[in-house]
Amino acid sequence: EVQLVESGGGLVKPGGSLRLSCAASGFTFSNAWMTWVRQAPGKGLEWVGRIKSKTDSETTDYAAPVKGRLTISRDDSKNTLYLQMNSLKTEDTAMYYCTTVSGKNWGQGTLVTVSS
Amino acid sequence: DIQMTQSPSSLSASVGDRVTVTCRASQSISSFLNWYQQKPGKAPKLLIYAASSLQSGVPSRFSGSGSGTDFTLTINSLHPEDFATYYCQQSYSTPVTFGQGTKLEIK
Repeated sequence: EVQLVESGGGLVKPGGSLRLSCAASGFTFSNAWMTWVRQAPGKGLEWVGRIKSKTDSETTDYAAPVKGRLTISRDDSKNTLYLQMNSLKTEDTAMYYCTTVSGKNWGQGTLVTVSS
Repeated sequence: DIQMTQSPSSLSASVGDRVTVTCRASQSISSFLNWYQQKPGKAPKLLIYAASSLQSGVPSRFSGSGSGTDFTLTINSLHPEDFATYYCQQSYSTPVTFGQGTKLEIK
């Protein structure tokens, strides 16, 4: 059974940093392209970015609002996806989900709140 | 960026009704279109991929159609558990983009 479990969310002040993790199991993580999607409270879904597999050079792509501040990485030895979040803004407040690129599998999400 | 426009933004219907949600892309996306269902406090669930393919385990009352720029999600004979918010998503190019959502409510 495929499982994605996010962690690392919490309350952080504007300008602060946070690193989210997504532990994957039940599939060959090293072959998978992975994405992060977020959802602000009461709002719709927003794609954050994507990382390709090592065989595809771990190429990353980002949405414009997060480019240069949020960084996606992966550790295939740990079957874990990361989202490093720097220079956080209040508008980054959201539930953050990790997903497989196909959209077939989602984690339960981890909540990030950026507030002073 | 490809803009995805869903309509309606909200919809009231009764158990047993047939409902249709539409999604329009700002440029052709071939069949790179997914539909998701989301219930409050839960992660989205994939219903339809590649515009018209039913995800495993999803009831056959859900169907998708379209290609190019115009797509539809149809739910035949609504069940109580179908009242939720529905999103379309294009995966034709990055940035991947979602429609704004359609909230399906009980009449």
